[in-house]
Amino acid sequence: QQQVKQSPQSLIVQKGGISIINCAYENTAFDYFPWYQQFPGKGPALLIAIRPDVSEKKEGRFTISFNKSAKQFSLHIMDSQPGDSATYFCAASNFNKFYFGSGTKLNVKP
Amino acid sequence: EAGVAQSPRYKIIEKRQSVAFWCNPISGHATLYWYQQILGQGPKLLIQFQNNGVVDDSQLPKDRFSAERLKGVDSTLKIQPAKLEDSAVYLCASSRGWKDTQYFGPGTRLTVL
Repeated sequence: QQQVKQSPQSLIVQKGGISIINCAYENTAFDYFPWYQQFPGKGPALLIAIRPDVSEKKEGRFTISFNKSAKQFSLHIMDSQPGDSATYFCAASNFNKFYFGSGTKLNVKP
Repeated sequence: EAGVAQSPRYKIIEKRQSVAFWCNPISGHATLYWYQQILGQGPKLLIQFQNNGVVDDSQLPKDRFSAERLKGVDSTLKIQPAKLEDSAVYLCASSRGWKDTQYFGPGTRLTVL
């Protein structure tokens, strides 16, 4: 059973546009929701994370929106740049267990 | 601060052979994770150590996979014997504690022929 469902599988955005990636979960015990960025040949790196007591967190061009009632959270990348082209994973955590989404491959066209 | 180190970076073996991966976590990090990342999928946790004790190995195929973390620092993950479906990238991550940010190594890409 997939604990975290992520969409879309791939995304093409023009430079300067907004990239939006969505995730949904079922387990209401999850209490930590990070987003990871992965470049080819590298391990995932933490991008931004949120806890369910807030509805939004912004760091630079990256924003997480969190909807606790809908059990959904999303990553918004404003002013997307070619350097943002990577695979993005959402994750959800309960105590020591982390569950990752299936990933979204983002391609930002110059 | 040095990152998580893994070796080898690539490994190609025949099915039914054995293979071992090594991980050196960030200094001072008590928690160490091994993940399996199949192409096109997100990482799946195989085993988690807190110092040299196993916290969670519920998704580790124990009939063929084993892992140890001697002295609570370096860790090795072994597959014996390997199957075709074990082809994946094996990622090691570490964190200060089990609730802290995980830092990932570059991974070992295993191809089983």
